Amino acid sequence: DADVTQTPRNRITKTGKRIMLECSQTKGHDRMYWYRQDPGLGLQLIYYSFDVKDINKGEISDGYSVSRQAQAKFSLSLESAIPNQTALYFCATSDLGLAGANVLTFGAGSRLTVL
Amino acid sequence: QKEVEQNSGPLSVPEGAIASLNCTYSDRGSQSFFWYRQYSGKSPELIMFIYSNGDKEDGRFTAQLNKASQYVSLLIRDSQPSDSATYLCAALTLGSNYQLIWGAGTKLIIKP
Repeated sequence: DADVTQTPRNRITKTGKRIMLECSQTKGHDRMYWYRQDPGLGLQLIYYSFDVKDINKGEISDGYSVSRQAQAKFSLSLESAIPNQTALYFCATSDLGLAGANVLTFGAGSRLTVL
Repeated sequence: QKEVEQNSGPLSVPEGAIASLNCTYSDRGSQSFFWYRQYSGKSPELIMFIYSNGDKEDGRFTAQLNKASQYVSLLIRDSQPSDSATYLCAALTLGSNYQLIWGAGTKLIIKP
């Protein structure tokens, strides 16, 4: 089994629908992240969480929300999806420590298409 | 605006040659730098990171950091077709709550 598991792997939905992307990890890491990747662009941070009670907005949090249900689970929601949220979404985890805090382990990605 | 810049490529290199990938960053406060490899449709995976000026070697890969010039590079020796991928550079600044600033990546093609 993968260390970081994302579901669903692919999703096609319509404008205005609510969508949840789920992420679970077996690495035992405290830090979890949601990134978005668009073609030709770098990874953009949506939200991150350093522990269950600590959730922070990233650079592009508008239109998204998250829930950290447990140390191992971090979900991303789009309350009302719009076409420009069509992208590849990655969940990632990392451990504590200066360099270790940013050695990220990524999930396989969730490709979302909003029609 | 903190930025990490990479040439998008594609960079085409013959098999067996040295591939040189470059990255510049704008924030002088950046302290650590990371190279990730991403195959098409897959997730990024860490190749190596560097935080001291100079070279760091790991197998066929060498990362080079020059903080005075705000320049990071990744050299791949004896390039193989399996090295064909997009290479992402990322910078860490302590003041950013340990968040990474990502470049858009360089697409590398190794020609047999």
